[in-house]
Amino acid sequence: DAGVIQSPRHEVTEMGQEVTLRCKPISGHDYLFWYRQTMMRGLELLIYFNNNVPIDDSGMPEDRFSAKMPNASFSTLKIQPSEPRDSAVYFCASSFLRNEQFFGPGTRLTVL
Amino acid sequence: DAKTTQPPSMDCAEGRAANLPCNHSTISGNEYVYWYRQIHSQGPQYIIHGLKNNETNEMASLIITEDRKSSTLILPHATLRDTAVYYCIGRAGGTSYGKLTFGQGTILTVHP
Repeated sequence: DAGVIQSPRHEVTEMGQEVTLRCKPISGHDYLFWYRQTMMRGLELLIYFNNNVPIDDSGMPEDRFSAKMPNASFSTLKIQPSEPRDSAVYFCASSFLRNEQFFGPGTRLTVL
Repeated sequence: DAKTTQPPSMDCAEGRAANLPCNHSTISGNEYVYWYRQIHSQGPQYIIHGLKNNETNEMASLIITEDRKSSTLILPHATLRDTAVYYCIGRAGGTSYGKLTFGQGTILTVHP
């Protein structure tokens, strides 16, 4: 298996623009997680899905953030409009049942 | 999830054992102790987890005290590639699927 795939790996955008991050979990995994990592706040869980259904989105910072999982092999995290404080590395992870999570390589987002 | 406390940094000589401590005095009976590591610029990587008994896998050993208030991750023969941030996390098991709450972790530096 190729592992968790994230795209793009790097994204530079201007304040106010819409940003969409993409994730393909490991085939057969039924949990999918979105995390954000910054120097100030460390690694934070934003939202997670089980069988494509959002279970806990309490970590989503505000309404500008939204996440979807239309099928078992694809998820998106959208920021609209983006702000400089959204600059961070965004990780997607997946797991089978409640076992260990496998993380993707991350998307480094820079909002100018 | 239980709050965990780890030293901010540790050093280890290559080839020697690295022993990384973690305090989790508030851990509850159904919470597992998980260890992940993050090598620079990569996504976190699962290492090992345990509930009560000591555990060993191809990467490391996990020693949990009898009262479960602390644990030690052991890398038996550290290499330069083990230089990373190591996270100790308490996570609910059973029917409660707790989030992985990452703290600041321990920066392990392995020296030649």
